[in-house]
Amino acid sequence: EIVMTQSPATLSVSPGERATLSCRASQSVSSNLAWYQQKPGQAPRLLIYGASTRATGIPARFSGSGSGTEFTLTISSLQSEDFAVYYCQQYNNWQTFGQGTKVEIK
Amino acid sequence: EVQLVESGGGLVQPGGSLRLSCAASGFTFSSYWMSWVRQAPGKGLEWVANIKQDGSEKYYVDSVKGRFTISRDNAKNSLYLQMNSLRAEDTAVYYCARHRLRGARTSRDAFDIWGQGTMVTVSS
Repeated sequence: EIVMTQSPATLSVSPGERATLSCRASQSVSSNLAWYQQKPGQAPRLLIYGASTRATGIPARFSGSGSGTEFTLTISSLQSEDFAVYYCQQYNNWQTFGQGTKVEIK
Repeated sequence: EVQLVESGGGLVQPGGSLRLSCAASGFTFSSYWMSWVRQAPGKGLEWVANIKQDGSEKYYVDSVKGRFTISRDNAKNSLYLQMNSLRAEDTAVYYCARHRLRGARTSRDAFDIWGQGTMVTVSS
């Protein structure tokens, strides 16, 4: 099983600042990596797939990068609606998720 | 509107059974791989099972193999999860999710559409 490790567990950021979230795979997943946003009481929402392609309707302030085992989600200027939990998911070998990074208001 | 709506959750005793349903609308259901994903209270996401467009391939996470069965009825635009021999650790919100690519040959894909989830509680 491929283990996905996200860091940090919690990220405190002020509105308007940049947020950088990391995701590491225990073995290469090529570019088969997605990012999701989840707000309390809601289903996850797909943000990024293929490591760097924004899903339909996702604002340009969200960007993804990386390949192999190291990946990054960057939110260029945090808006109030961006405070949530973010999960990475590899789909190169079955599907496994990271444990999540909570982005909270500083 | 593209939509997935789960139902069938509830409270069940350990060792019991439950059948979850997911009704799809707004897209050609028979063209997509589908998955079930669960989330234990306060925890992260865990993929549970997936099924190919025609039902010919099904895959499961190790922890549910032999206990859970995924199926679909394309004529009814519906996905199912039959859960037997339930354990306390199966307690979670269960989501159905659509794989992104229409007509994909493999299950290697992100999930672009999710239902709102249905809660399953296994407790005596």
